[in-house]
Amino acid sequence: EVQLVESGGGLVQPGGSLRLSCEASKSTFRSFAMSWVRQAPGKGLEWVSAISTSGGSTYYADSVKGRFTISRDNSKNTLYLEMNSLRAEDTALYYCANYFCGGVTCSEAFDTWGQGTMVTVSS
Amino acid sequence: QSALTQPASVSGSPGQSITISCTGTSSDVGNYDYVSWYQHHPGKAPKLMIYDVRKRPSGVSNRFSGSKSGNTASLTISGLQAEDEADYYCSTYIPSTTLYVFGPGTKVTVL
Repeated sequence: EVQLVESGGGLVQPGGSLRLSCEASKSTFRSFAMSWVRQAPGKGLEWVSAISTSGGSTYYADSVKGRFTISRDNSKNTLYLEMNSLRAEDTALYYCANYFCGGVTCSEAFDTWGQGTMVTVSS
Repeated sequence: QSALTQPASVSGSPGQSITISCTGTSSDVGNYDYVSWYQHHPGKAPKLMIYDVRKRPSGVSNRFSGSKSGNTASLTISGLQAEDEADYYCSTYIPSTTLYVFGPGTKVTVL
């Protein structure tokens, strides 16, 4: 089973930028589509963005479209989330997760999750 | 974006069965079998419990089962145990929008 470790979180001022990373423990990382999901303090889970195995297709929630960019480097087993024009409402614990694949098919479900990295947007 | 609705809380005694509902619309839950369920203990990573409405990943207890009727999906936990006390979230993929949506979460309390 792959393990995922997020990093890059921290305190940033409104309007600022931050880049999150998610490193996978196995080279099978390249076989999985990936997503970022966040949880604001005291709130529920919110899907943020997804990327295909090759990185050629990316998807975003309306709340972050145009401000966040998801990417991946399969040679480094690493997923990224570039966050610009950050707002107070982006304050959350950010998780990366790979999609569930059973045998030859993959599902639209998030299988393994990291422990998360905290992003706080405040002046 | 679409919204899914879940009860804020559900409780039961050890050994009992409980069911958590997840209601969407005919554009999401009702039209596709992409519903998944996650168990989330505070401070830990969420855990996939059910995918594709009713399928269980290897290693997940068979006390957890999923189903769907119309626009409502359900997660049933049978033989409730203290360790089942957690937050549970449903989620679905909406192909027409290539977006994913989570429900607000249900807090399960074992009395």
